[in-house]
Amino acid sequence: EAEVAQSPRYKITEKSQAVAFWCDPISGHATLYWYRQILGQGPELLVQFQDESVVDDSQLPKDRFSAERLKGVDSTLKIQPAELGDSAMYLCASSAEGEGYTFGSGTRLTVV
Amino acid sequence: AQSVSQHNHHVILSEAASLELGCNYSYGGTVNLFWYVQYPGQHLQLLLKYFSGDPLVKGIKGFEAEFIKSKFSFNLRKPSVQWSDTAEYFCAVILSGSARQLTFGSGTQLTVLP
Repeated sequence: EAEVAQSPRYKITEKSQAVAFWCDPISGHATLYWYRQILGQGPELLVQFQDESVVDDSQLPKDRFSAERLKGVDSTLKIQPAELGDSAMYLCASSAEGEGYTFGSGTRLTVV
Repeated sequence: AQSVSQHNHHVILSEAASLELGCNYSYGGTVNLFWYVQYPGQHLQLLLKYFSGDPLVKGIKGFEAEFIKSKFSFNLRKPSVQWSDTAEYFCAVILSGSARQLTFGSGTQLTVLP
């Protein structure tokens, strides 16, 4: 079964440092999403890509977060500088028309 | 703005009990509906989905859900739960014709006692 790959699985970083997460969607899935899941809550959309273009980044804190999908395949989400409140699970998902999403295993970020 | 409500934050059942988890959404248009499950330490997995047609949807692991349009609901059911069903369950919606963005409820933690 095809999977969405994410790395790293866990990341601990100090406040004010930079951190980056990587996602490789299912082959052929044009739409890629980054979600943030705070403990005890449902995932919230940060950014959505269609191929290499950003469809929606209205919920992305752009002063510190950036996301790119340069060749329309894999994607990177960056936080600089990290803050304590950024501690969460960062989920990547991809989808194709007529299907639900497939989620990756996520990156659990702890900011200390 | 659309929202998804899961009224039960934590449900505790004994094995073999029947399960029903509530999900309501607030949008008057056409929706696609989903239930996802997240087992401890694992990623979100799709249990079932509703796009159109028969409002009673059967998913994996014996779960089913019924779309009741008049009630804006999509409740998840299982006639007999097992200890292995212990997990967090998320209801989610996509508005048809939108940018296909999933909006999640806050989740229901199910604990099944052996």
